[in-house]
Amino acid sequence: DIQLTQSPSFLSASVGDRVTITCRASQDIKNSLTWYQQKPGEAPNLLIYRASFVLSGVPTRFSGSGSGTEFTLTISSLQPEDFATYYCQQLNVYPWTCGQGTKVEMK
Amino acid sequence: QVQLQESGPGLVKPSETLSLTCTVSRDSIVSYYWGWMRQAPGKALEWIGYIHYTGETKYHSSLKSRVSISVDTSRNQFFLRLNSVTTADTAVYYCGRVGVGAAPEGYYLFGMDVWGQGTTVTVSS
Repeated sequence: DIQLTQSPSFLSASVGDRVTITCRASQDIKNSLTWYQQKPGEAPNLLIYRASFVLSGVPTRFSGSGSGTEFTLTISSLQPEDFATYYCQQLNVYPWTCGQGTKVEMK
Repeated sequence: QVQLQESGPGLVKPSETLSLTCTVSRDSIVSYYWGWMRQAPGKALEWIGYIHYTGETKYHSSLKSRVSISVDTSRNQFFLRLNSVTTADTAVYYCGRVGVGAAPEGYYLFGMDVWGQGTTVTVSS
């Protein structure tokens, strides 16, 4: 199975900060990577797919980049509602696998 | 906007079968892919599998011998069955719609773009 490693696992930031989360794959997954946001007690929400395509309705402060084995999710200016856990998921090879998550906390 | 709702027992005994239903509303189950994911307490998301309304399925290899996903287009529902459960199967189970995109090389699936609220299943005697 393809392993996805997210870094950092925890991140402390303030409103207005630029935040970057990295997801590294154990092998080439081309651009088949999706990012989700999950708030406590809620289902995840898809933010980014195909590494850089922003799902309709997702705020423009969210962006994604990368291909191959290294990917990033960037929040250009962190808002109060963005404090959550973020997961990457690869869909290039079965079984689809997810990273361990990155929790973004308030500094 | 399509809505999904999971339903089923919240408690299952070890070695028995976990059965969940996902009811799709405000859209037809036809023409889409539908999937299941789960999340054990304090853990990351885990993909279980998906089904197309035609019956095409794909499962996580680690669960393949125990899992089955089916669909009933007349009821706009799809189902998850997981046999021989253990305490390791205790989790929140989510159903969702699998997004489909188009590229020059063909269509692709890009993850669950609409989710149910999730249902907690505990495996315990």
